[in-house]
Amino acid sequence: GENVEQHPSTLSVQEGDSAVIKCTYSDSASNYFPWYKQELGKGPQLIIDIRSNVGEKKDQRIAVTLNKTAKHFSLHITETQPEDSAVYFCASTGFQKLVFGTGTRLLVSP
Amino acid sequence: GAVVSQHPSRVICKSGTSVKIECRSLDFQATTMFWYRQFPKQSLMLMATSNEGSKATYEQGVEKDKFLINHASLTLSTLTVTSAHPEDSSFYICSARPLDGPYEQYFGPGTRLTVT
Repeated sequence: GENVEQHPSTLSVQEGDSAVIKCTYSDSASNYFPWYKQELGKGPQLIIDIRSNVGEKKDQRIAVTLNKTAKHFSLHITETQPEDSAVYFCASTGFQKLVFGTGTRLLVSP
Repeated sequence: GAVVSQHPSRVICKSGTSVKIECRSLDFQATTMFWYRQFPKQSLMLMATSNEGSKATYEQGVEKDKFLINHASLTLSTLTVTSAHPEDSSFYICSARPLDGPYEQYFGPGTRLTVT
């Protein structure tokens, strides 16, 4: 079955810096790659996603890149703000079920 | 858009009782809804997938008789934890996939279940 690895597990940055979280998937049939932000005690919130026919997608300070050959995809957050502090999960799916990474705890210090 | 609600947000029950959690898609219709369980500082674990009008598909290791799922309409799915025990205490989260989106899932805010 599909396996998704996510790194790093924790990431501390200063406000204004950039943050990058990386994921690797195993199933070459996967074709949809969402990123979720989860704040403490809340459900995950879809922040950006990308499909396999696109290499990069950007939404304001957030961007996602996909390298299908290497089976890598990454989340890039620029100009980080304290409110970006949360746990971020990557996921992938080829058909029905989302397979989640293990999560990255991002801490943005003012 | 794409709002999913869950009720209740928190519930405390005594061991041996049953608890029902509702998941509703508020502004879209969902062909498929998913139920997840999440332990502290861990990722989401899929419990089951439910399609409107049909039986749920449970993941390996999830007891179908303990976690009853009913997907009564295109906007409502319920999870009933039967004969709850302290080890069932967890954060339960549902998600819904819109009719017009083959991949996207939108998550509810979660339900914190504590069994005493």
